[in-house]
Amino acid sequence: AQTVTQSQPEMSVQEAETVTLSCTYDTSESDYYLFWYKQPPSRQMILVIRQEAYKQQNATENRFSVNFQKAAKSFSLKISDSQLGDAAMYFCAYRTRTSGTYKYIFGTGTRLKVLA
Amino acid sequence: SAVISQKPSRDICQRGTSLTIQCQVDSQVTMMFWYRQQPGQSLTLIATANQGSEATYESGFVIDKFPISRPNLTFSTLTVSNMSPEDSSIYLCSVGGQWGGTGELFFGEGSRLTVL
Repeated sequence: AQTVTQSQPEMSVQEAETVTLSCTYDTSESDYYLFWYKQPPSRQMILVIRQEAYKQQNATENRFSVNFQKAAKSFSLKISDSQLGDAAMYFCAYRTRTSGTYKYIFGTGTRLKVLA
Repeated sequence: SAVISQKPSRDICQRGTSLTIQCQVDSQVTMMFWYRQQPGQSLTLIATANQGSEATYESGFVIDKFPISRPNLTFSTLTVSNMSPEDSSIYLCSVGGQWGGTGELFFGEGSRLTVL
C-alpha cells in the first residue's frame, strides 16, 4: 500500500528566508500525481503545487517549488522569500489509481511558523 | 476548478444524536470524497461517494455509522450517526480526480462538529 511520510511535525522560518519541507512516499506505481496542500488555521485546504510523476522537470509556482526525486521517492517543497501569510499546516499528498477510482493519501502534515 | 459548499459549517451536538452534512458542488464531478480531520491531525478518507450506487468505505468506517448519499453528480450528504465525543472532528467534502484533468482535489471549507 502507498504511504506518505512527512518527518517534520513543525518548522520555523524567518520572514524573507527560505525553508524546505520534506516528504517521502512509498509506491510501486510508475504514473501518479503528487501534491502539496496548505491549510491555514481554521481555513480551507488549498492546493499549493502539483507534480506529475512522468514529468522530470520540477514544478514551480511563484515562490513555491518542488524537488522531485522519483528514484528516491522524495518530494520536498521549497518556499522562498517566506511571508507571514505562509504560516499554515502543509500536507503532502499522493494520488493513486486503484479499482477503477482514484484515492488520495495524505501525510501527517508539517506546521510552518513564520517569524517576523 | 470547483467551488464546494458545505453545510453546516459547524455544530454542537449531543451524544447519541445524528447529524447530516451536505455538500454542494458548482459543477458536475465524477469523484466525491468524504474525509475526517481530527484536531491537529491529518486527513483520513471515510469513503468515496458514488453516484447512483452505494459508497465505498475505507477500513474502519461502516455504512451504519456514516451513511452517505449521492443522488446526482453535484450533491452528496454524509450522516454521522449515534454520535459520541470521539466523533468530534472536521468533516471535509472534496471532489476531483478527473481523468485528463489537473488531478488535484478541491475541498470544501469543512464542517466542524463538536459532540458533548
